[in-house]
Amino acid sequence: AQKITQTQPGMFVQEKEAVTLDCTYDTSDPSYGLFWYKQPSSGEMIFLIYQGSYDQQNATEGRYSLNFQKARKSANLVISASQLGDSAMYFCAMREGRPFSGGYNKLIFGAGTRLAVHP
Amino acid sequence: GAVVSQHPSRVICKSGTSVKIECRSLDFQATTMFWYRQFPKQSLMLMATSNEGSKATYEQGVEKDKFLINHASLTLSTLTVTSAHPEDSSFYICSAIGSGTSGINEQFFGPGTRLTVL
Repeated sequence: AQKITQTQPGMFVQEKEAVTLDCTYDTSDPSYGLFWYKQPSSGEMIFLIYQGSYDQQNATEGRYSLNFQKARKSANLVISASQLGDSAMYFCAMREGRPFSGGYNKLIFGAGTRLAVHP
Repeated sequence: GAVVSQHPSRVICKSGTSVKIECRSLDFQATTMFWYRQFPKQSLMLMATSNEGSKATYEQGVEKDKFLINHASLTLSTLTVTSAHPEDSSFYICSAIGSGTSGINEQFFGPGTRLTVL
Protein backbone atom coordinates (compact mmCIF):
# COMPACT_ATOMS: atom_id res chain seq x y z
CA ALA A 1 0.00 0.00 0.00
CA GLN A 2 1.19 3.48 -0.81
CA LYS A 3 2.23 5.42 2.24
CA ILE A 4 1.70 8.85 0.71
CA THR A 5 -1.06 9.48 -1.81
CA GLN A 6 -1.50 12.61 -3.85
CA THR A 7 -4.53 12.10 -6.03
CA GLN A 8 -4.27 15.27 -8.09
CA PRO A 9 -1.72 14.93 -10.91
CA GLY A 10 -2.40 18.50 -11.96
CA MET A 11 -4.21 21.54 -10.63
CA PHE A 12 -5.05 24.93 -12.12
CA VAL A 13 -5.73 28.08 -10.16
CA GLN A 14 -6.31 31.69 -11.00
CA GLU A 15 -3.78 34.18 -9.72
CA LYS A 16 -4.73 35.57 -6.27
CA GLU A 17 -7.08 32.66 -5.61
CA ALA A 18 -6.51 30.03 -2.93
CA VAL A 19 -5.79 26.41 -3.82
CA THR A 20 -5.74 23.18 -1.83
CA LEU A 21 -3.42 20.32 -2.72
CA ASP A 22 -4.47 16.98 -1.30
CA CYS A 23 -2.31 14.50 0.56
CA THR A 24 -3.30 11.39 2.48
CA TYR A 25 -0.92 9.13 4.31
CA ASP A 26 -0.82 5.70 5.83
CA THR A 27 1.16 4.75 8.89
CA SER A 28 0.70 2.73 12.05
CA ASP A 29 3.46 4.63 13.83
CA PRO A 30 2.06 7.15 16.33
CA SER A 31 5.09 9.38 15.80
CA TYR A 32 5.53 10.85 12.35
CA GLY A 33 6.11 14.09 10.53
CA LEU A 34 4.58 15.45 7.38
CA PHE A 35 6.35 17.76 4.96
CA TRP A 36 5.48 19.68 1.86
CA TYR A 37 8.09 20.56 -0.73
CA LYS A 38 7.95 22.67 -3.86
CA GLN A 39 9.97 21.72 -6.92
CA PRO A 40 10.13 24.36 -9.65
CA SER A 41 11.32 23.49 -13.14
CA SER A 42 14.91 24.09 -12.04
CA GLY A 43 14.66 20.90 -10.00
CA GLU A 44 15.58 22.18 -6.55
CA MET A 45 13.48 20.95 -3.66
CA ILE A 46 12.21 23.80 -1.51
CA PHE A 47 10.88 23.06 1.96
CA LEU A 48 7.54 24.72 2.58
CA ILE A 49 5.95 23.51 5.78
CA TYR A 50 6.07 20.81 8.45
CA GLN A 51 3.44 19.20 10.68
CA GLY A 52 4.28 16.85 13.51
CA SER A 53 1.87 14.09 14.46
CA TYR A 54 1.60 15.43 18.00
CA ASP A 55 1.17 19.06 17.00
CA GLN A 56 -2.17 20.33 18.21
CA GLN A 57 -2.46 23.18 15.78
CA ASN A 58 -2.26 23.29 12.02
CA ALA A 59 1.08 24.54 10.76
CA THR A 60 1.28 27.84 8.94
CA GLU A 61 4.15 29.52 7.07
CA GLY A 62 3.23 32.75 5.39
CA ARG A 63 0.85 31.95 2.53
CA TYR A 64 1.14 28.23 3.21
CA SER A 65 -0.97 26.39 5.72
CA LEU A 66 -1.41 22.71 6.36
CA ASN A 67 -4.89 21.36 6.97
CA PHE A 68 -4.04 18.45 9.25
CA GLN A 69 -6.87 16.01 9.89
CA LYS A 70 -5.31 13.23 11.89
CA ALA A 71 -8.32 10.93 12.05
CA ARG A 72 -8.65 11.07 8.29
CA LYS A 73 -4.90 10.81 7.84
CA SER A 74 -4.84 13.79 5.56
CA ALA A 75 -2.42 16.70 5.38
CA ASN A 76 -3.60 19.03 2.67
CA LEU A 77 -1.56 22.06 1.69
CA VAL A 78 -3.43 25.32 1.29
CA ILE A 79 -1.80 28.12 -0.67
CA SER A 80 -3.56 31.43 -0.26
CA ALA A 81 -3.39 34.29 -2.74
CA SER A 82 -1.66 32.27 -5.47
CA GLN A 83 1.13 33.91 -7.40
CA LEU A 84 2.52 33.09 -10.82
CA GLY A 85 5.73 31.98 -9.13
CA ASP A 86 3.81 29.26 -7.31
CA SER A 87 3.61 27.25 -10.53
CA ALA A 88 5.64 24.12 -9.79
CA MET A 89 5.46 20.51 -8.66
CA TYR A 90 4.42 20.02 -5.06
CA PHE A 91 5.35 16.94 -3.08
CA CYS A 92 3.94 15.70 0.17
CA ALA A 93 6.33 13.57 2.23
CA MET A 94 6.27 11.65 5.50
CA ARG A 95 8.89 10.75 8.04
CA GLU A 96 8.10 7.93 10.47
CA GLY A 97 9.41 7.01 13.86
CA ARG A 98 11.09 8.72 16.73
CA PRO A 99 14.48 10.43 16.73
CA PHE A 100 17.40 8.02 16.91
CA SER A 101 15.25 5.12 15.85
CA GLY A 102 16.28 3.09 12.86
CA GLY A 103 15.32 4.66 9.59
CA TYR A 104 14.44 7.97 11.19
CA ASN A 105 14.68 10.93 8.87
CA LYS A 106 13.92 8.82 5.81
CA LEU A 107 11.36 10.67 3.75
CA ILE A 108 8.72 8.90 1.70
CA PHE A 109 7.37 11.07 -1.09
CA GLY A 110 4.02 11.15 -2.82
CA ALA A 111 3.70 11.22 -6.59
CA GLY A 112 3.35 14.98 -6.63
CA THR A 113 0.87 17.53 -7.94
CA ARG A 114 1.73 19.95 -10.71
CA LEU A 115 0.22 23.34 -9.97
CA ALA A 116 -0.27 25.88 -12.72
CA VAL A 117 -1.19 29.43 -11.75
CA HIS A 118 -2.91 31.39 -14.50
CA PRO A 119 -2.92 35.19 -14.70
CA GLY B 1 18.74 27.92 5.93
CA ALA B 2 21.43 25.32 5.46
CA VAL B 3 22.99 24.99 2.03
CA VAL B 4 23.75 21.79 0.18
CA SER B 5 25.65 21.82 -3.08
CA GLN B 6 26.03 19.21 -5.78
CA HIS B 7 28.61 18.90 -8.47
CA PRO B 8 28.33 18.60 -11.37
CA SER B 9 24.90 20.02 -12.10
CA ARG B 10 24.77 18.29 -15.44
CA VAL B 11 26.82 15.49 -16.95
CA ILE B 12 26.70 13.64 -20.24
CA CYS B 13 28.73 10.49 -20.59
CA LYS B 14 29.15 7.52 -22.83
CA SER B 15 27.70 4.16 -21.97
CA GLY B 16 30.11 2.07 -19.91
CA THR B 17 31.86 4.94 -18.18
CA SER B 18 31.62 5.79 -14.50
CA VAL B 19 30.36 9.09 -13.17
CA LYS B 20 30.98 10.58 -9.74
CA ILE B 21 28.55 13.07 -8.19
CA GLU B 22 29.54 15.08 -5.14
CA CYS B 23 27.22 16.33 -2.45
CA ARG B 24 28.49 18.87 0.08
CA SER B 25 26.94 20.50 3.10
CA LEU B 26 28.41 23.99 2.95
CA ASP B 27 27.71 25.54 6.32
CA PHE B 28 26.92 22.62 8.58
CA GLN B 29 28.06 19.11 9.36
CA ALA B 30 25.94 16.26 8.14
CA THR B 31 26.40 12.82 9.62
CA THR B 32 23.61 11.54 7.42
CA MET B 33 22.98 12.27 3.78
CA PHE B 34 20.48 10.76 1.40
CA TRP B 35 20.61 10.04 -2.30
CA TYR B 36 17.49 10.11 -4.45
CA ARG B 37 16.81 9.62 -8.11
CA GLN B 38 13.96 11.17 -9.99
CA PHE B 39 12.79 10.14 -13.44
CA PRO B 40 10.97 12.73 -15.57
CA LYS B 41 7.56 13.64 -14.23
CA GLN B 42 7.93 11.21 -11.35
CA SER B 43 8.53 11.46 -7.66
CA LEU B 44 11.78 11.20 -5.73
CA MET B 45 12.81 7.66 -4.94
CA LEU B 46 15.24 7.11 -2.10
CA MET B 47 18.25 5.13 -3.22
CA ALA B 48 20.37 5.00 -0.12
CA THR B 49 21.20 6.54 3.22
CA SER B 50 24.79 7.65 3.52
CA ASN B 51 26.33 7.65 6.99
CA GLU B 52 29.65 9.31 7.71
CA GLY B 53 32.33 6.76 8.45
CA SER B 54 30.22 3.70 7.75
CA LYS B 55 28.69 1.81 4.88
CA ALA B 56 25.67 3.20 3.16
CA THR B 57 22.27 1.62 3.63
CA TYR B 58 20.64 0.87 0.31
CA GLU B 59 16.94 0.67 -0.38
CA GLN B 60 15.47 -2.52 -1.72
CA GLY B 61 16.11 -2.95 -5.40
CA VAL B 62 19.07 -0.56 -5.58
CA GLU B 63 22.29 -2.24 -6.66
CA LYS B 64 25.03 -1.26 -4.25
CA ASP B 65 27.76 -2.34 -6.66
CA LYS B 66 26.22 -0.14 -9.32
CA PHE B 67 25.75 2.92 -7.18
CA LEU B 68 28.77 3.33 -4.94
CA ILE B 69 28.35 5.73 -2.05
CA ASN B 70 31.19 7.11 0.03
CA HIS B 71 30.62 9.46 2.96
CA ALA B 72 34.21 10.18 3.88
CA SER B 73 33.70 13.36 5.89
CA LEU B 74 30.98 15.25 7.72
CA THR B 75 30.48 17.56 4.75
CA LEU B 76 30.93 15.32 1.74
CA SER B 77 29.17 12.32 0.27
CA THR B 78 29.80 10.99 -3.22
CA LEU B 79 27.69 8.81 -5.48
CA THR B 80 29.48 6.96 -8.25
CA VAL B 81 27.39 5.44 -11.00
CA THR B 82 29.58 2.64 -12.28
CA SER B 83 29.45 1.40 -15.86
CA ALA B 84 26.59 3.75 -16.62
CA HIS B 85 23.97 2.77 -19.17
CA PRO B 86 21.21 4.81 -20.81
CA GLU B 87 18.67 3.52 -18.30
CA ASP B 88 20.71 5.19 -15.55
CA SER B 89 19.91 8.57 -17.08
CA SER B 90 18.02 10.44 -14.40
CA PHE B 91 18.02 13.40 -12.04
CA TYR B 92 20.03 12.56 -8.93
CA ILE B 93 19.38 14.60 -5.81
CA CYS B 94 21.16 14.48 -2.49
CA SER B 95 20.00 15.81 0.83
CA ALA B 96 21.52 16.33 4.24
CA ILE B 97 20.01 16.50 7.69
CA GLY B 98 20.35 19.82 9.44
CA SER B 99 18.55 22.03 11.90
CA GLY B 100 16.13 24.33 10.17
CA THR B 101 14.21 27.40 11.22
CA SER B 102 11.15 25.25 11.76
CA GLY B 103 12.84 23.84 14.83
CA ILE B 104 12.92 20.29 13.56
CA ASN B 105 15.53 18.30 11.73
CA GLU B 106 14.94 18.97 8.07
CA GLN B 107 16.35 17.49 4.95
CA PHE B 108 18.09 20.19 2.96
CA PHE B 109 18.29 19.26 -0.67
CA GLY B 110 21.02 19.87 -3.18
CA PRO B 111 20.14 21.38 -6.56
CA GLY B 112 20.39 18.00 -8.28
CA THR B 113 22.55 16.48 -11.00
CA ARG B 114 21.11 15.60 -14.35
CA LEU B 115 22.86 12.56 -15.77
CA THR B 116 22.49 11.65 -19.40
CA VAL B 117 24.10 8.45 -20.61
CA LEU B 118 24.46 8.16 -24.37
